[in-house]
Amino acid sequence: EDKVVQSPLSLVVHEGDTVTLNCSYEVTNFRSLLWYKQEKKAPTFLFMLTSSGIEKKSGRLSSILDKKELFSILNITATQTGDSAVYLCAVDVQGAQKLVFGQGTRLTINP
Amino acid sequence: GAVVSQHPSWVICKSGTSVKIECRSLDFQATTMFWYRQFPKQSLMLMATSNEGSKATYEQGVEKDKFLINHASLTLSTLTVTSAHPEDSSFYICSARQQGVRGTGELFFGEGSRLTVL
Repeated sequence: EDKVVQSPLSLVVHEGDTVTLNCSYEVTNFRSLLWYKQEKKAPTFLFMLTSSGIEKKSGRLSSILDKKELFSILNITATQTGDSAVYLCAVDVQGAQKLVFGQGTRLTINP
Repeated sequence: GAVVSQHPSWVICKSGTSVKIECRSLDFQATTMFWYRQFPKQSLMLMATSNEGSKATYEQGVEKDKFLINHASLTLSTLTVTSAHPEDSSFYICSARQQGVRGTGELFFGEGSRLTVL
């Protein structure tokens, strides 16, 4: 069974801290890994990763994939209260036409 | 980016009634739409994959007679929760894949519909 596991499930830090969110996966036929940010409503797309070792960056957020060890990390530097959200990791399973989501990491940034 | 509209955002209904949720791709054609369900503080669980003009593919454990999915056009898919009960109360989210695009970076989510069954 395809599985995506995120850790930690919950994280509380102070504004300005740097955080690292983890995502590991076991799937039959990997195509890509995606990160989403979910605040009050639907998830918004952050990154899509297909190749190992290539860092994707967007402002203070960055992510990298390790296809050998089957995991990805999402880094957020100089966190702000607006970064508070649930961060979801999902794996696109080739041939299955679907995304398998992890449980999410609930990130809380305190001022 | 592309926009997916979901309606209604909130719905409260009595037990035993049916509720229809619409998912529309506003500025692109979507051959495939996905319906997810999310319980509080949990992740998104895929319920079914909806393909335009054909029957939906349901995930294991999802009752197809209870959660009716219709994808009648390239811009509209509907989810009908039939004879809803309190345990069906949840947050339902649709997502759409743009026609002709293979990568799931082009998977766009609707705003979600919160269903409360009394």
